[in-house]
Amino acid sequence: QSALTQPPSASGSPGQSVTISCTGTSSDVGAYNYVSWYQQYPGKAPKLMIHEVSKRPSGVPDRFTGSKSGNTASLTVSGLQAEDEADYYCSSYGGNRDMFGGGTKLTVL
Amino acid sequence: EVQLVESGGGLVQPGGSLRLSCAASGFTFSSHWMHWVRQAPGKGLVWVSRINSDGSAISYADSVKGRFSISRDNAKNTLYLQMNSLRAEDTALYYCSRGGSYSLGDYWGLGTLVTVSS
Repeated sequence: QSALTQPPSASGSPGQSVTISCTGTSSDVGAYNYVSWYQQYPGKAPKLMIHEVSKRPSGVPDRFTGSKSGNTASLTVSGLQAEDEADYYCSSYGGNRDMFGGGTKLTVL
Repeated sequence: EVQLVESGGGLVQPGGSLRLSCAASGFTFSSHWMHWVRQAPGKGLVWVSRINSDGSAISYADSVKGRFSISRDNAKNTLYLQMNSLRAEDTALYYCSRGGSYSLGDYWGLGTLVTVSS
């Protein structure tokens, strides 16, 4: 059982938008603005897509946006493209420990 | 170019020990928090441990506390994970990552595979 809860799957057609949620508690997601999102292709290392809730590293398309409300963070992918099909993980700082969500497999239909 | 290269994985019997290393280059290693993250075959990412820039602050996941020990040698630009009393459930690909931008990894290595089996 992961510390952060994500839906196991999400899907959308090319050009559509999809939002993936990440639910924690008032001790982690709700307490700190240190939520990050990662993209992982099969057999590859994860890639940082969003840090500090909503900041994009250089090179990440602006189709990827992050937000947070209370104990739930969200990643929205707009204008879905075939290359966005991957696993997505959230993470949060939690004081004396860090944690990931269980991951969401995003399928582009 | 930032590079993280893990080594030290392999096949070990239950109850055995391994020491993983992560050689860092392309950035000022001594300025960054570092993490170990693992991923069992076909499963998700799991945070294992973190260490701050000078090694004075360390945290572990409950599942490894008391069995694993993280350390670093800033003179050698190397991160370590000493793993003792290994269990079958510790079988995974172990990644080291740089904790930049308040994340669990703005740069990642390719991982080293640890298999615990008799």
